[in-house]
Amino acid sequence: DTEVTQTPKHLVMGMTNKKSLKCEQHMGHRAMYWYKQKAKKPPELMFVYSYEKLSINESVPSRFSPECPNSSLLNLHLHALQPEDSALYLCASSQDSGQGKSEQFFGPGTRLTVL
Amino acid sequence: DAKTTQPPSMDCAEGRAANLPCNHSTISGNEYVYWYRQIHSQGPQYIIHGLKNNETNEMASLIITEDRKSSTLILPHATLRDTAVYYCIVRVVPSNYQLIWGAGTKLIIKP
Repeated sequence: DTEVTQTPKHLVMGMTNKKSLKCEQHMGHRAMYWYKQKAKKPPELMFVYSYEKLSINESVPSRFSPECPNSSLLNLHLHALQPEDSALYLCASSQDSGQGKSEQFFGPGTRLTVL
Repeated sequence: DAKTTQPPSMDCAEGRAANLPCNHSTISGNEYVYWYRQIHSQGPQYIIHGLKNNETNEMASLIITEDRKSSTLILPHATLRDTAVYYCIVRVVPSNYQLIWGAGTKLIIKP
């Protein structure tokens, strides 16, 4: 299984809502990532988990809260978002080789719209 | 961190080789060059990577100049399904995690 799955595919939420994005992989990868991608731009790294511990937070606002319940699952909890947070949210995973050669496998993304 | 520069768009005829250039003139000696592509409304897909030597896999070939300041991704027989945005990326080493993404090249394969 070389697939990263993400749910939901689309999400519309109001600025006062609380919602969660989910990501799952069964490739035995020990690093998992959240990216944000605006239209016609490359993905921007938000968070990295390595061995279920948060290792990188790219100065993301606290209204985005990541969680890694186990090595296969990654969540992104959303609360009090702004309309400018509307974007495609991508999850990725990779082996944690530590040698800089491991490619990242991406999920299809969740298209988020904040009203 | 090394940055990459790519042309914003390119066309290629179906069945011909597509050659996508990338400039990474400030790359360090231990930084890898990666290529990903993103078909419309999908997640990015890994294509190939290299350090110094040319590389080939079932999808593409990667040619890296001897001074490592530029590279070319070659899709040998482009099909309509190869229409996508192609990203040239430098991987920060020793960090395993961070990809420095370029702006990407929109490749359009024409029948």
